[in-house]
Amino acid sequence: KAGVTQTPRYLIKTRGQQVTLSCSPISGHRSVSWYQQTPGQGLQFLFEYFSETQRNKGNFPGRFSGRQFSNSRSEMNVSTLELGDSALYLCASSFAGGLNTEAFFGQGTRLTVV
Amino acid sequence: AQSVTQLDSHVSVSEGTPVLLRCNYSSSYSPSLFWYVQHPNKGLQLLLKYTSAATLVKGINGFEAEFKKSETSFHLTKPSAHMSDAAEYFCVVTHQAGTALIFGKGTTLSVSS
Repeated sequence: KAGVTQTPRYLIKTRGQQVTLSCSPISGHRSVSWYQQTPGQGLQFLFEYFSETQRNKGNFPGRFSGRQFSNSRSEMNVSTLELGDSALYLCASSFAGGLNTEAFFGQGTRLTVV
Repeated sequence: AQSVTQLDSHVSVSEGTPVLLRCNYSSSYSPSLFWYVQHPNKGLQLLLKYTSAATLVKGINGFEAEFKKSETSFHLTKPSAHMSDAAEYFCVVTHQAGTALIFGKGTTLSVSS
């Protein structure tokens, strides 16, 4: 079956703009989580959605937001982009979440802010 | 609070020699622990997971890890390295709520011929 699909794969934006990234989870998976990967900070948790509800949120400013649709697809939005937002954004999906659940990752969206 | 510490940022081995990637964790509850691997320009792939069953966990591609509660460790091993094992490896613990994952800083494994 198809894996986690993230679009677009690459983005270049100007400081101050906003951006929307998309994630389509594996069919049947209801939990989607987002991570930011940078060389300096490593992989950091942004937020997690389950059945259209945000269930958990990491320590990021309010410029970072997300949502999940009824078909479990998810989007994340970053407003007023800063140079430091340049990163690889990874989406992961799992069936239901929980401590023991395996998460499947997409290939990520590489965002460059100039 | 949960956290993981990967003790080596970079490990270099020769092909055919054993691999040891070290990870210590901190958790206020019985954790689930994972090792993920990331090859260049590819997504993260699960190698193995510990979920309070057997303490010795076998994963894909010949990797295994042992959960040692007394040492709060979850080291990843492989008896014989292959060139294709060269990648970034992450030790991961689950957040207490939901599927939030807490990643270590990663260990880059280099394999020379």
